[in-house]
Amino acid sequence: KQEVTQIPAALSVPEGENLVLNCSFTDSAIYNLQWFRQDPGKGLTSLLLIQSSQREQTSGRLNASLDKSSGRSTLYIAASQPGDSATYLCALYATGNQFYFGTGTSLTVIP
Amino acid sequence: NAGVTQTPKFRILKIGQSMTLQCAQDMNHNYMYWYRQDPGMGLKLIYYSVGAGITDKGEVPNGYNVSRSTTEYFPLRLELAAPSQTSVYFCASSYGQTGYTFGSGTRLTVV
Repeated sequence: KQEVTQIPAALSVPEGENLVLNCSFTDSAIYNLQWFRQDPGKGLTSLLLIQSSQREQTSGRLNASLDKSSGRSTLYIAASQPGDSATYLCALYATGNQFYFGTGTSLTVIP
Repeated sequence: NAGVTQTPKFRILKIGQSMTLQCAQDMNHNYMYWYRQDPGMGLKLIYYSVGAGITDKGEVPNGYNVSRSTTEYFPLRLELAAPSQTSVYFCASSYGQTGYTFGSGTRLTVV
């Protein structure tokens, strides 16, 4: 059974700092990996999608990497802003037509 | 462009009551999903569908039922509500493994 872990569970940084969020998984047989953002009381917004054949994806200040052999993905956020405060979840699309979600990292960017 | 629409946004049920959570998508996505999210926990898959007329159980299907008579609609039925079903429910859709889109959620409390 696929297990997805996100560490740390919570992170607080000053505005302007670069930061890395981590996602680890136990089974490398995945189709793709996505990073989502969830604002309080809201649904999930897809940020980046990495196919299993890719190593990284970039969108603006966000960069996500994927290393299947080590079972890890990272989300790099450059020059963090207070508007980046949210919970960030990684999800793997694996066999059985299922997404497996991590428990998320709650990010607070302090002005 | 509505995306994934969930109704209602909030609901309070008494133990033993039944209700249907509605989900509709207008993107012609073939895959649809129901998740529940408990505080401090990751999303757990309840049921999913890969097309009209086809549904499959996810990780936590007990106490729920679904149907998918059309591409657009994927309602989730709770027959005998229990306090353990207090949660936030998210519907999502995708086109195969891509284009994953979430609804804004239904917050359900069973008392």
